[in-house]
Amino acid sequence: DVKVTQSSRYLVKRTGEKVFLECVQDMDHENMFWYRQDPGLGLRLIYFSYDVKMKEKGDIPEGYSVSREKKERFSLILESASTNQTSMYLCASSPSDRLYYGYTFGSGTRLTVV
Amino acid sequence: QQQVKQSPQSLIVQKGGISIINCAYENTAFDYFPWYQQFPGKGPALLIAIRPDVSEKKEGRFTISFNKSAKQFSLHIMDSQPGDSATYFCAASIVTGGGNKLTFGTGTQLKVEL
Repeated sequence: DVKVTQSSRYLVKRTGEKVFLECVQDMDHENMFWYRQDPGLGLRLIYFSYDVKMKEKGDIPEGYSVSREKKERFSLILESASTNQTSMYLCASSPSDRLYYGYTFGSGTRLTVV
Repeated sequence: QQQVKQSPQSLIVQKGGISIINCAYENTAFDYFPWYQQFPGKGPALLIAIRPDVSEKKEGRFTISFNKSAKQFSLHIMDSQPGDSATYFCAASIVTGGGNKLTFGTGTQLKVEL
């Protein structure tokens, strides 16, 4: 029973392309997050959203944007992909009424920019 | 500036031994400290969590020890098994009315040998 689904496991894109990473959750969670995971750096927060149409910058938002038109879907957009955006991207969600509940993560999208 | 520092980066433990992973934080406003376990090809999954009003929490073979005055917390895995081989992340967050934005450590790759 998959609860947070990321549309692609692996993506290869060219430098300068506009890239869309999609995330869908079926748990009716209000909060959604995008992290990138790099060896030795752990998970770093790119953007998050506590409600539909709402977005907040995380720690490393440069070069990224997001869209949340529906509660269950949170998209990460790389406006012009660069090689330093090659990484594992993880989407997560959490409920707003159980803030000590923790996150549910997707399996990740490994993006390679060539 | 890294707000949650995790050590060691990698750890090898013999089957049946105790695995210990340490984290230190800087922001005294943090009030939720979860640990996540990640297997290759999967997203991180919540393992155990603690709030700063208790000094220890135990769930099966996994124990979190929390030292508020030292701003440190650690994960102990008793009777470590080969199936525990994974990457472990500590995290911390400030829970607000809107949500809980997690800040992660850099991760510890644990290998349990037979």
